[in-house]
Amino acid sequence: DVKVTQSSRYLVKRTGEKVFLECVQDMDHENMFWYRQDPGLGLRLIYFSYDVKMKEKGDIPEGYSVSREKKERFSLILESASTNQTSMYLCASWAGGAPGELFFGEGSRLTVL
Amino acid sequence: AQRVTQPEKLLSVFKGAPVELKCNYSYSGSPELFWYVQYSRQRLQLLLRHISRESIKGFTADLNKGETSFHLKKPFAQEEDSAMYYCALGQTGANNLFFGTGTRLTVIP
Repeated sequence: DVKVTQSSRYLVKRTGEKVFLECVQDMDHENMFWYRQDPGLGLRLIYFSYDVKMKEKGDIPEGYSVSREKKERFSLILESASTNQTSMYLCASWAGGAPGELFFGEGSRLTVL
Repeated sequence: AQRVTQPEKLLSVFKGAPVELKCNYSYSGSPELFWYVQYSRQRLQLLLRHISRESIKGFTADLNKGETSFHLKKPFAQEEDSAMYYCALGQTGANNLFFGTGTRLTVIP
């Protein structure tokens, strides 16, 4: 069974704190993604990576950075968390090729106070 | 620019009634369309894709290039269909999918 695992399901942080969200996939997929899920706004792409150490900005990269040092791991970093970054964060992976199935993690719900 | 529109944020139907979740897209090339579903307390997962032309859990979706639509349909809704549904657009040669804003379907017993 394919698996995308997000290490933190729930986090509560204070404004200005640095936040790390970790995602690991066991499918040897080339592509990994970080989305933000907000009611009424759907899924918005923050960053994606198509290879180790490679990254591309998505639609809303401001305030975020990412790291992909190993193929299986893709980290989302909030350098200085703000209240408007309170959201559900979804990690996904994809094998590549023709547009196809994204495999999602269970999500990390971040609350910034 | 590519865009996916789901005009209904909320949709409620009675059990046994037909259901249609609307999706329109804007894309100048040849689109790849998908429906994803998220049941309560479960991860987002693929429901169906237009190239497969298959029925999953009784749902079907037909790509209408003339109307640029990919509506999701089911003739008889079941309570277990209650979920959040997202329409998504993929582009050949691109690495990501564009998602709509989602429709929350509630099937009333």
